[in-house]
Amino acid sequence: EPEVTQTPSHQVTQMGQEVILRCVPISNHLYFYWYRQILGQKVEFLVSFYNNEISEKSEIFDDQFSVERPDGSNFTLKIRSTKLEDSAMYFCASRARTGVPYEQYFGPGTRLTVT
Amino acid sequence: KNEVEQSPQNLTAQEGEFITINCSYSVGISALHWLQQHPGGGIVSLFMLSSGKKKHGRLIATINIQEKHSSLHITASHPRDSAVYICAGDMYSGGGADGLTFGKGTHLIIQP
Repeated sequence: EPEVTQTPSHQVTQMGQEVILRCVPISNHLYFYWYRQILGQKVEFLVSFYNNEISEKSEIFDDQFSVERPDGSNFTLKIRSTKLEDSAMYFCASRARTGVPYEQYFGPGTRLTVT
Repeated sequence: KNEVEQSPQNLTAQEGEFITINCSYSVGISALHWLQQHPGGGIVSLFMLSSGKKKHGRLIATINIQEKHSSLHITASHPRDSAVYICAGDMYSGGGADGLTFGKGTHLIIQP
């Protein structure tokens, strides 16, 4: 069964460093998402991406964040200058189309620890 | 802005019990997702529904659009059902790719 994959599974970085989280969505999917979950809190929407551009973004997704689909298969989330509060689990998701019955499929997550 | 509320936040039950987790949301949605999150953190989609009822094995999900309420039921619960169950509202608007709005989750423990 096709699945969304994410690398790395765990990333440790120092405050102020740039990090790139990578995702490979399911191959025939058109919509891509990044979510984050701070430890002990609910999952929060960051950004959605369609047709090679950002479709929607939350207030969390400020100028420190950017997304890219560089080669038609990978979908990346870049944090330019990490802060302690960026420590969280980051989930990528993809869906074939919007609407019922098109579910979102989640990757296993990348745990980002900023020290 | 859609708010999603779940209850209870924590639920401990004995193996075999019938489990109900409730979800309510504040504005109209296009679909409601039920998700399962295990201790390792991964999220698995259980159901996506926009009306009525869906069943998969021992899991049943219902939604009442007029009352903005959904329930997830687990029949004959088993310790392997122990996980965090999350409901999430889908605000997709046809052309858009809105992200899901998540509830805080219900931490379910089934004791043998």
